[in-house]
Amino acid sequence: QQPVQSPQAVILREGEDAVINCSSSKALYSVHWYRQKHGEAPVFLMILLKGGEQKGHDKISASFNEKKQQSSLYLTASQLSYSGTYFCGTGSQNFVFGPGTRLSVLP
Amino acid sequence: KAGVTQTPRYLIKTRGQQVTLSCSPISGHRSVSWYQQTPGQGLQFLFEYFSETQRNKGNFPGRFSGRQFSNSRSEMNVSTLELGDSALYLCASSLGGTNQPQHFGDGTRLSIL
Repeated sequence: QQPVQSPQAVILREGEDAVINCSSSKALYSVHWYRQKHGEAPVFLMILLKGGEQKGHDKISASFNEKKQQSSLYLTASQLSYSGTYFCGTGSQNFVFGPGTRLSVLP
Repeated sequence: KAGVTQTPRYLIKTRGQQVTLSCSPISGHRSVSWYQQTPGQGLQFLFEYFSETQRNKGNFPGRFSGRQFSNSRSEMNVSTLELGDSALYLCASSLGGTNQPQHFGDGTRLSIL
């Protein structure tokens, strides 16, 4: 079953923060996050493997709450280059992506 | 390290024809997954191959098939093309397992007339 992402879209100004949520009605074994810019392939951001795990690089980080079956992606002090569609993905066998969150960062 | 290579980048076909798409994974990656991406349905999993064996399969009709060769290169075939098959087809390679990051190719844009 496909994870649910919220919000569907968000518009930010440079320097603002954003949070993208991913939740599932089924147990989450691991959560992947990818970003896809228009006309390009999805690019891997990070994987969270355990409940409670938090990761980050640069100003993008994520957390994984296994009990609540949800993950959140945090974008801090957003830059123009952060614009794109963010997908979470999960699956123990068949890998399933969420519908995506379109993020637009304006100058 | 060379990335994932998909060929061709663009294809135009007519209904009823068949098509074969190719994917060369990153060297050392034994898992290749295929996805269909459309504006309405998002990224949908087609199937995954690992060491020449189909390990997982998504919910697509039998017209969609694939195979993997001993060098891990993979092909996807779609027979009896329908208008609804127009999409971006992406392949992704990884070391294997859902705990490994997937590295995507640029995709093949398939248009059905």
